[in-house]
Amino acid sequence: DTEVTQTPKHLVMGMTNKKSLKCEQHMGHRAMYWYKQKAKKPPELMFVYSYEKLSINESVPSRFSPECPNSSLLNLHLHALQPEDSALYLCASSHPDRGAFFGQGTRLTVV
Amino acid sequence: RKEVEQDPGPFNVPEGATVAFNCTYSNSASQSFFWYRQDCRKEPKLLMSVYSSGNEDGRFTAQLNRASQYISLLIRDSKLSDSATYLCVVNRAGGSYIPTFGRGTSLIVHP
Repeated sequence: DTEVTQTPKHLVMGMTNKKSLKCEQHMGHRAMYWYKQKAKKPPELMFVYSYEKLSINESVPSRFSPECPNSSLLNLHLHALQPEDSALYLCASSHPDRGAFFGQGTRLTVV
Repeated sequence: RKEVEQDPGPFNVPEGATVAFNCTYSNSASQSFFWYRQDCRKEPKLLMSVYSSGNEDGRFTAQLNRASQYISLLIRDSKLSDSATYLCVVNRAGGSYIPTFGRGTSLIVHP
């Protein structure tokens, strides 16, 4: 089972809203990632969790707040986003130094 | 210099052609290497890992040259269904393993 599940698949939110993106994997992977991808660009790393601890924050604005409740779950809390934050948000997980498996992503539109 | 560099293409080839993609990386301490495929508006999917000894999976052959910091992907007998963006990914070394993406190479296979 090489599946990473993300919800919701689509999200439209206003600039004053608070919403959360969810990600779940049951492959026993101890590294989990959030990426942001704009059209015709490669995925850009946002956050890395390793063994449920935040190990990398790629200078992401504080309006994005990650959370790892347990080894299978990863959340991304969104608050006061800007229209330029509209993008595909991808969650991934991996064993250390192995290929990462991606969820289908959440397509976010900020209005 | 970007960590991972790829020619963005597009590569426009007829069915049955052989096509090769190249990728270079800047960090000589990088540990592991992968090719991903991404279809339009979908998530990246792991195509294959890349080893110094070279590895093959059906019509796909990947090669790594550590001395030159160069990775390649060869696709033989191209199919229409191979049309996609191919992303070179290098796991950044040091502490957590961070999949770092090249900008991707677009392949269009036409009848």
